[in-house]
Amino acid sequence: DAGVIQSPRHEVTEMGQEVTLRCKPISGHNSLFWYRQTMMRGLELLIYFNNNVPIDDSGMPEDRFSAKMPNASFSTLKIQPSEPRDSAVYFCASCRTGSYEQYFGPGTRLTVT
Amino acid sequence: SQQGEEDPQALSIQEGENATMNCSYKTSINNLQWYRQNSGRGLVHLILIRSNEREKHSGRLRVTLDTSKKSSSLLITASRAADTASYFCATDEAAGNKLTFGGGTRVLVKP
Repeated sequence: DAGVIQSPRHEVTEMGQEVTLRCKPISGHNSLFWYRQTMMRGLELLIYFNNNVPIDDSGMPEDRFSAKMPNASFSTLKIQPSEPRDSAVYFCASCRTGSYEQYFGPGTRLTVT
Repeated sequence: SQQGEEDPQALSIQEGENATMNCSYKTSINNLQWYRQNSGRGLVHLILIRSNEREKHSGRLRVTLDTSKKSSSLLITASRAADTASYFCATDEAAGNKLTFGGGTRVLVKP
């Protein structure tokens, strides 16, 4: 299995621009998680889906952040408009429902200037 | 504050020595997990211990759980330079797959 796939791996953008991060979970995994990691705040859960349905989005910092999961093999995290404080590494993870072991992707390093 | 808090924040040891790190949490849990993160990479699951278990082993890893103290420890025996990484504990909530991660312990194993 290819594991969780994220793209792009690096993104540099200017403040005010729209940013879209993409994730392909492991086939057969029906739970998907978006995390953000910074030195200051550590690893934070932004949102998670179960069977493509958002279950908990309480970690989404602002309305500028949105996430979708149109099907079992694809999810996006969008930031519009982006701000410098959004600079972080964004991870996607997936797991099977009922299994607590999460598989993480390699992350997208986002820099907003 | 975070559900899981690791201690120490950083640890430097010589190859061959043991590394011990601790995790404390605040609420009741079903399971506690430990993950490793190498620099620039995603987290990798190491071991899961259930709330009704007290100790678990996996290779050179030993995890303990004390639910009365709401704490766990991860011991890496006979450390290797390749064990250099950050280690995170993660606790689950009563329902669902949601995990809350601690701040991590950075471990440096010097050859």
